[in-house]
Amino acid sequence: GDSVTQMEGPVTLSEEAFLTINCTYTATGYPSLFWYVQYPGEGLQLLLKATKADDKGSNKGFEATYRKETTSFHLEKGSVQVSDSAVYFCALSDRENYGGATNKLIFGTGTLLAVQP
Amino acid sequence: SQTIHQWPATLVQPVGSPLSLECTVEGTSNPNLYWYRQAAGRGLQLLFYSVGIGQISSEVPQNLSASRPQDRQFILSSKKLLLSDSGFYLCAWSIGGASTDTQYFGPGTRLTVL
Repeated sequence: GDSVTQMEGPVTLSEEAFLTINCTYTATGYPSLFWYVQYPGEGLQLLLKATKADDKGSNKGFEATYRKETTSFHLEKGSVQVSDSAVYFCALSDRENYGGATNKLIFGTGTLLAVQP
Repeated sequence: SQTIHQWPATLVQPVGSPLSLECTVEGTSNPNLYWYRQAAGRGLQLLFYSVGIGQISSEVPQNLSASRPQDRQFILSSKKLLLSDSGFYLCAWSIGGASTDTQYFGPGTRLTVL
């Protein structure tokens, strides 16, 4: 079945460091890919998405490119801030598998990012 | 704009007691609705989803049930809570009809079963 694999955390960085959180997926159809962020004690917020190969999603300085050849969707940011400290979830929605009636998301286990001043 | 509400925000319940968590969505019609559970230090597990009033699909056999009495209301229930029901419960919605697959999440309910 479909699955998402994220790098294990926690990831600890100093402010202004470069961030990469790896995400790879397996899917039989044509998935859309997502990054969600969860700040402490809160629900999940959509950070960015990409719906087809070579698309780049971007938001708030974060970027991720849909790489079909490597089945990856790595999250990057050039200069992290303390306020970026959160748990980041990679997810996929495989429309073909679920017939389009609902778009169930399959999540990775999440990666905790801690940014130190 | 659309908003999603969950309540209560936190809940402490004894083992064996009943449970009712409520989720409502505003600003959209006929959404798809979802209940997830997030156990401490773990990822999200889809529990139930619904594509319309009275239509519930269960993903994982368990002690919980869900109902959708109104178009934008989704309720998670249990008759007798177990210790293992503790966790962070998240409700989400997406646009009905599968025109988009993005899900939008509520603020969550933290449930502690003692």
